Amino acid sequence: GQQLNQSPQSMFIQEGEDVSMNCTSSSIFNTWLWYKQDPGEGPVLLIALYKAGELTSNGRLTAQFGITRKDSFLNISASIPSDVGIYFCAGLGNTGKLIFGQGTTLQVKP
Amino acid sequence: DAGITQSPRYKITETGRQVTLMCHQTWSHSYMFWYRQDLGHGLRLIYYSAAADITDKGEVPDGYVVSRSKTENFPLTLESATRSQTSVYFCASNAGTGTYEQYFGPGTRLTVT
Repeated sequence: GQQLNQSPQSMFIQEGEDVSMNCTSSSIFNTWLWYKQDPGEGPVLLIALYKAGELTSNGRLTAQFGITRKDSFLNISASIPSDVGIYFCAGLGNTGKLIFGQGTTLQVKP
Repeated sequence: DAGITQSPRYKITETGRQVTLMCHQTWSHSYMFWYRQDLGHGLRLIYYSAAADITDKGEVPDGYVVSRSKTENFPLTLESATRSQTSVYFCASNAGTGTYEQYFGPGTRLTVT
């Protein structure tokens, strides 16, 4: 079946630094979603992307739908301590269901 | 506006017992989903429902039963719980109007002893 490879698995950065993470696949996806999960909570939708090449921002977060439709990127600028959590990408697979990446765990050092 | 809620938030049960996890959404979303989250496996789809009385299997349906008699509720039942079903369970919903954004509940942490 279709799979997503999300990287890096974890990041430990200094407050104020920019962060980049990505999801790649050998398959084409028509929709990409990015979620953040805080400890003990459910994933919260950050950004939804529906068109190849689309670049969308939500505050300090920017996500891009790769032009090949096989990847997506999430950038966080000027990180702050509350950015800590697990970030998931999800792609709409050819079965019509979302396929989730394994997550990127972000830790921010004040 | 409560959104999507799950109950209980924590549950400990014994092997072989039946347990039901509840999910309720106030948005009148057509689609509802159940996922389990385990270390090393991310989020895996158990069952989903496109509307009341319509349900279908996801990636890991064995050992689970769902029903959807009302649009707002989507309970998940473990008929005979096993230790391998120890996990965090998330319910999600989607409006189903040409968008694919899913909104998640807070989760139920289930431990099977």
